[in-house]
Amino acid sequence: DTAVSQTPKYLVTQMGNDKSIKCEQNLGHDTMYWYKQDSKKFLKIMFSYNNKELIINETVPNRFSPKSPDKAHLNLHINSLELGDSAVYFCASSPPHLSYNEQFFGPGTRLTVL
Amino acid sequence: KNEVEQSPQNLTAQEGEFITINCSYSVGISALHWLQQHPGGGIVSLFMLSSGKKKHGRLIATINIQEKHSSLHITASHPRDSAVYICAALLNRDDKIIFGKGTRLHILP
Repeated sequence: DTAVSQTPKYLVTQMGNDKSIKCEQNLGHDTMYWYKQDSKKFLKIMFSYNNKELIINETVPNRFSPKSPDKAHLNLHINSLELGDSAVYFCASSPPHLSYNEQFFGPGTRLTVL
Repeated sequence: KNEVEQSPQNLTAQEGEFITINCSYSVGISALHWLQQHPGGGIVSLFMLSSGKKKHGRLIATINIQEKHSSLHITASHPRDSAVYICAALLNRDDKIIFGKGTRLHILP
């Protein structure tokens, strides 16, 4: 069974649209993350979230918002998509927030904004 | 055996000491990423390397592609450097990311 899953795997959309990427983990982890990997393969943390705290990387535009309907899900909503949002987005999860453990990554969602 | 191994797992040092954290990998990679996670949980990207050496302030990262090894050095260490340091390998076979288990660094004043 897939530990961390993301849907869709590929997303192609027009500039200005609003879209969501879903992430689910079945590991019972407390903390989930969203990363953005740009065309140069540089990985950047966007958000980390557990039941109590959302930590937002200051470089993330407020068009991006994480939403967690429950502990196993952390969805990424993006409003008014821009060309520069094209990237691969990775979701990850890990055990309790304050004790770093290995992160488990989803397969990624390749977003293309036209 | 993990495809990405870090050493040491834990490191305690006195303020001012020169720190070295190692990362070895057994797979083909397109780049290697060093991250820092503070006690509060926030993760900061430090470097991404595909060859050679990069420097930012007191931090230096090197990578030897032939030996499949990277090091992160901290000069004139300070208590605020206390954090977990993580290397992550970007695999060139499928672009997946494999993280090392982290090195927990504690700098004593």
